[in-house]
Amino acid sequence: EAQVTQNPRYLITVTGKKLTVTCSQNMNHEYMSWYRQDPGLGLRQIYYSMNVEVTDKGDVPEGYKVSRKEKRNFPLILESPSPNQTSLYFCASSFLSRTEAFFGQGTRLTVV
Amino acid sequence: QKEVEQDPGPLSVPEGAIVSLNCTYSNSAFQYFMWYRQYSRKGPELLMYTYSSGNKEDGRFTAQVDKSSKYISLFIRDSQPSDSATYLCAMSLNYGQNFVFGPGTRLSVLP
Repeated sequence: EAQVTQNPRYLITVTGKKLTVTCSQNMNHEYMSWYRQDPGLGLRQIYYSMNVEVTDKGDVPEGYKVSRKEKRNFPLILESPSPNQTSLYFCASSFLSRTEAFFGQGTRLTVV
Repeated sequence: QKEVEQDPGPLSVPEGAIVSLNCTYSNSAFQYFMWYRQYSRKGPELLMYTYSSGNKEDGRFTAQVDKSSKYISLFIRDSQPSDSATYLCAMSLNYGQNFVFGPGTRLSVLP
């Protein structure tokens, strides 16, 4: 089954404790991205990657890191999480030649 | 001014009603326009997309784009309770990348 898989689905952590949210897709998509979704603000892009070893900042990159060492994986790293990073996070992937983005199920992160 | 604006709702309609969902945007360079549907506790799924101005119909759904007014719409005919979800408009400059999303409109279709 074609899908984007994020883990974990739910995470509660404390301020300053490094964490990684994993994202994997099995559709051979070149383009992958991370979004955060907050009430009233919609989906805002954090980082994106056009292909392996090619990443770039989105609209709200502060406090986040990413890497793209393999085509299928695009982890999101929070080196020192803060409460303002409490949000719902989505990973998405797509072919550069098509308009449709496929989204993961989301990761609900709470930083206390 | 936000790049993409959308009525947040919530919008409640009776089953069978015609629903109109709308977005306005500020960047006249957007070329690709999409509507995503997001059920509770799920990721968004593509419903329809349109390139440039015009209409596109798919079953009960019709997407309209008016680039001169920077305005896009999604119409749902004969709405069903299963249509209850949050609807997100999205647009991009280029094929398959850097989508900009509206904040979403939550729709409830009451049986």
